[in-house]
Amino acid sequence: SQQGEEDPQALSIQEGENATMNCSYKTSINNLQWYRQNSGRGLVHLILIRSNEREKHSGRLRVTLDTSKKSSSLLITASRAADTASYFCATVYINNNDMRFGAGTRLTVKP
Amino acid sequence: DTEVTQTPKHLVMGMTNKKSLKCEQHMGHRAMYWYKQKAKKPPELMFVYSYEKLSINESVPSRFSPECPNSSLLNLHLHALQPEDSALYLCASSQGITSRLGNTIYFGEGSWLTVV
Repeated sequence: SQQGEEDPQALSIQEGENATMNCSYKTSINNLQWYRQNSGRGLVHLILIRSNEREKHSGRLRVTLDTSKKSSSLLITASRAADTASYFCATVYINNNDMRFGAGTRLTVKP
Repeated sequence: DTEVTQTPKHLVMGMTNKKSLKCEQHMGHRAMYWYKQKAKKPPELMFVYSYEKLSINESVPSRFSPECPNSSLLNLHLHALQPEDSALYLCASSQGITSRLGNTIYFGEGSWLTVV
């Protein structure tokens, strides 16, 4: 079963704008990972943030984690048409040895 | 590019057929995973292998049978599938069990399965 919920389900922006996607989860986690998936392709790992971390950066990506609110956000700055994809958060439980995905956000960046 | 290789990329099989999906990684990872993904849905966990032993089976029907012959290989044997089993099957691997080590899970490109 899925662990998290993501919003928005779909997001459409213009090239150059920032895109923010949110993820909420229900139980305590060890870490949270963000993935990108182009249509019909495999998942590409973007960032892993551990439960004792609050913010991580990678290039144009910024991920925050608020364990008190059980939520995370992914910010893509200065978006490009090539960023068009589905973005998933995935949570790893503390007591289980698996990773569960949220519903995902479909991002469309218009040139 | 992913270092998890899945074959075949596409598979069409009848409901009475027996086929297998294969997954290989050479990153020295000791945990391997099978996920199933339907169109416009997130991946759903099916199985987890840790050190070549099955550690998680998410109540998957027995018509799906996983096998881990060694630490680099993971198979998914398919028999008597139903049309609703048509989906993208994703293999993944990580250094160890993620909840202890907080490791990244790397995915292959997936195998598209169509059951007719």
